[in-house]
Amino acid sequence: GENVEQHPSTLSVQEGDSAVIKCTYSDSASNYFPWYKQELGKRPQLIIDIRSNVGEKKDQRIAVTLNKTAKHFSLHITETQPEDSAVYFCAVARLLTGANNLFFGTGTRLTVIP
Amino acid sequence: DAMVIQNPRYQVTQFGKPVTLSCSQTLNHNVMYWYQQKSSQAPKLLFHYYDKDFNNEADTPDNFQSRRPNTSFCFLDIRSPGLGDAAMYLCATSSPRESSYEQYFGPGTRLTVT
Repeated sequence: GENVEQHPSTLSVQEGDSAVIKCTYSDSASNYFPWYKQELGKRPQLIIDIRSNVGEKKDQRIAVTLNKTAKHFSLHITETQPEDSAVYFCAVARLLTGANNLFFGTGTRLTVIP
Repeated sequence: DAMVIQNPRYQVTQFGKPVTLSCSQTLNHNVMYWYQQKSSQAPKLLFHYYDKDFNNEADTPDNFQSRRPNTSFCFLDIRSPGLGDAAMYLCATSSPRESSYEQYFGPGTRLTVT
């Protein structure tokens, strides 16, 4: 399967500051890049995703950038709030005609300090 | 309005005693996935069904099997659970008919092996 690296593994920021999480992947055929937020004991929740034909996507305080040539993509959270504290996973998939098997990064535990 | 339901939420089984985890969905999605998530790790894809077609990941142990009797239900069977199989098991669904490629996760079943 795909090899996905994610950094940093932990990140602490002050409330109101920005947070950036980076991922790299190995399979150049990967073309779908979602980010999931997982709170303790809960299911992963999709927060934003991007396809390979787009370089950047933004949704309110959250943005994702993709550099397909370099095979890396990043999550940017601005104006962080305590409720942003969670584990964030990047993932990659090669969209086929049916399934889109997700290969996850190792996760980043984000703590937003009030 | 739960969309992906997993039962039970917590399961305790004895070493070597077969166990079955259940997933059902109300989304009428073609694809159903099973992921294993060990403590402080990322979800790892075990296999998926596209309709009735079963697709196993190459590194999924033979100890793990799955059944999908109809569109709505999918089961994960662990034939002889070992201590290393203790984890959260997440079911997810997706559909190629949808313009988004989102996978919808269930709440998970936490498996304990004694």
